[in-house]
Amino acid sequence: DAKTTQPPSMDCAEGRAANLPCNHSTISGNEYVYWYRQIHSQGPQYIIHGLKNNETNEMASLIITEDRKSSTLILPHATLRDTAVYYCIVRDYNDYKLSFGAGTTVTVRA
Amino acid sequence: DAGVIQSPRHEVTEMGQEVTLRCKPISGHNSLFWYRQTMMRGLELLIYFNNNVPIDDSGMPEDRFSAKMPNASFSTLKIQPSEPRDSAVYFCASSLEGPRREAFFGQGTRLTVV
Repeated sequence: DAKTTQPPSMDCAEGRAANLPCNHSTISGNEYVYWYRQIHSQGPQYIIHGLKNNETNEMASLIITEDRKSSTLILPHATLRDTAVYYCIVRDYNDYKLSFGAGTTVTVRA
Repeated sequence: DAGVIQSPRHEVTEMGQEVTLRCKPISGHNSLFWYRQTMMRGLELLIYFNNNVPIDDSGMPEDRFSAKMPNASFSTLKIQPSEPRDSAVYFCASSLEGPRREAFFGQGTRLTVV
């Protein structure tokens, strides 16, 4: 039973911002939103996570709507090396398991 | 920090043979996870250790699979006997204490059973 919905694929121009949407309409109060990505032939890589406030780190920004039913991962200046599958994951505060869905395949084009 | 180290990176074996995958977690991390990735099923959690103790092995497919963590710096995933349907990429990940802590994944072991 998928907790998140993501578009299967999207393209982005190099140097432009990439905005990756994720719907999690059944999210509960104790659940965080996590983003991971997987570059081809590599293991998943943690990007960012948040509960209800917007978050920013050196890799990306996470914008969570006020009702927490959706979020957007923003890669501010996409590069070719950002081409990967991006996973949006909802996880309970006390849960150790990361449940990966199909993710969004992001292709950054020159 | 070298990150999570897995070996071997690639393994090709014949059906019926024993296969052992190895993982060295990041020093200081006390949670360790084994995941399997296939085209059909995506990434699945096989087993979770905390402080070297198996906490959740509900994802282990069947008795042919076993995992151990004899100390904080080493874990193995063994398949005996191996079958072609075990062909997949196996990832090990580790994290600091606390379920909300981010997990760091190794590069994976690509297993092919012929």
